[in-house]
Amino acid sequence: SAVISQKPSRDICQRGTSLTIQCQVDSQVTMMFWYRQQPGQSLTLIATANQGSEATYESGFVIDKFPISRPNLTFSTLTVSNMSPEDSSIYLCSVEYGTSSEQYFGPGTRLTVT
Amino acid sequence: ILNVEQSPQSLHVQEGDSTNFTCSFPSSNFYALHWYRWETAKSPEALFVMTLNGDEKKKGRISATLNTKEGYSYLYIKGSQPEDSATYLCAFWDTGNQFYFGTGTSLTVIP
Repeated sequence: SAVISQKPSRDICQRGTSLTIQCQVDSQVTMMFWYRQQPGQSLTLIATANQGSEATYESGFVIDKFPISRPNLTFSTLTVSNMSPEDSSIYLCSVEYGTSSEQYFGPGTRLTVT
Repeated sequence: ILNVEQSPQSLHVQEGDSTNFTCSFPSSNFYALHWYRWETAKSPEALFVMTLNGDEKKKGRISATLNTKEGYSYLYIKGSQPEDSATYLCAFWDTGNQFYFGTGTSLTVIP
């Protein structure tokens, strides 16, 4: 299995500011994923981050709003830019590990935008 | 965007009761169905990965069944305990390598 940590665990931010969320994995993985869960909604995939290439964004998510870095095989960051209250969500990173395609998730970052 | 539905949305049961909930997903382009347990302030934890129609998986008091032809999976918990309180998520994985999560069933087990 993979152990994943995220920082910060929670934050309260003002409208118009940006927050960078860090995700650290205890082993090297090819792909890392960033998800968002808005209140009462499903976990929704934001983007897939491969080391050494640009992240692939899902429909409805753009790089200007959610820039992602993937400098090495154990680390990634997601920035939530120019935040609005609609960005209040839990943000999770995850990795696929092993042959069964199970995903291992970080503990999440609970973001509240006021 | 595909529709993955879970019901009920929330559930309160007494300790010792058995319970079950449902995940409905498209019956076409099926690749796998995952169940996760997500306790408050913790990471979602994988429970089962199910790939074949008719699959039944079991882990302790928790079991799951899969019907890919009709597009549903059931999760059963036998003799619920307070530590089973969590949100249970299913995720549908299609042949295009896309994951779609349900909104989850929030289970509260009352001591």
